[in-house]
Amino acid sequence: AQSVAQPEDQVNVAEGNPLTVKCTYSVSGNPYLFWYVQYPNRGLQFLLKYITGDNLVKGSYGFEAEFNKSQTSFHLKKPSALVSDSALYFCAVRSLWGTDKLIFGTGTRLQVFP
Amino acid sequence: EPEVTQTPSHQVTQMGQEVILRCVPISNHLYFYWYRQILGQKVEFLVSFYNNEISEKSEIFDDQFSVERPDGSNFTLKIRSTKLEDSAMYFCASGGQGGANEKLFFGSGTQLSVL
Repeated sequence: AQSVAQPEDQVNVAEGNPLTVKCTYSVSGNPYLFWYVQYPNRGLQFLLKYITGDNLVKGSYGFEAEFNKSQTSFHLKKPSALVSDSALYFCAVRSLWGTDKLIFGTGTRLQVFP
Repeated sequence: EPEVTQTPSHQVTQMGQEVILRCVPISNHLYFYWYRQILGQKVEFLVSFYNNEISEKSEIFDDQFSVERPDGSNFTLKIRSTKLEDSAMYFCASGGQGGANEKLFFGSGTQLSVL
């Protein structure tokens, strides 16, 4: 069965420091991987995706994520956090074959302190 | 950037009542979805809709649920007889040519409370 795990409910980081939000996945076949962000009272917004190609993908707002096939991970990173990055972050996976649905993790709340 | 709009933002209903959640997807999109999030839990897929028919549905999407795209712009989710466990935030999403392979645009959700 397809699944996504986000092991941290919350990540705290000081503004200006690098941040990492962790995600591991389990899927049959090659995965399509996504990160979405949810700000208060808003819908989920797309940040970035990995389909194929370079393992390091760059997305919106200076975020990037690294696909690691051997560790089945797709951690979200940013070199220098901003207070405005504080939000709820969701990792999601879609199997290459036969399904149109995204499987989401439980979300990680990122809190960036000034 | 274009937006998906959902109404109402909050819906309170009595158990056993019917509710209709409404969504206006982005106008040139082809793929439409409903997801839900029970408080504190993960976002769960309910149903996908393409070419005027359901393309995939989850085990949650039983006979009490239905979707419609009645007029080419709105996309609705109907729950015929609500149960307490239907209380959740319901998100509508739409996608362009690539469907879920590309980025999906989500609405801000309808918080459904079943009493």
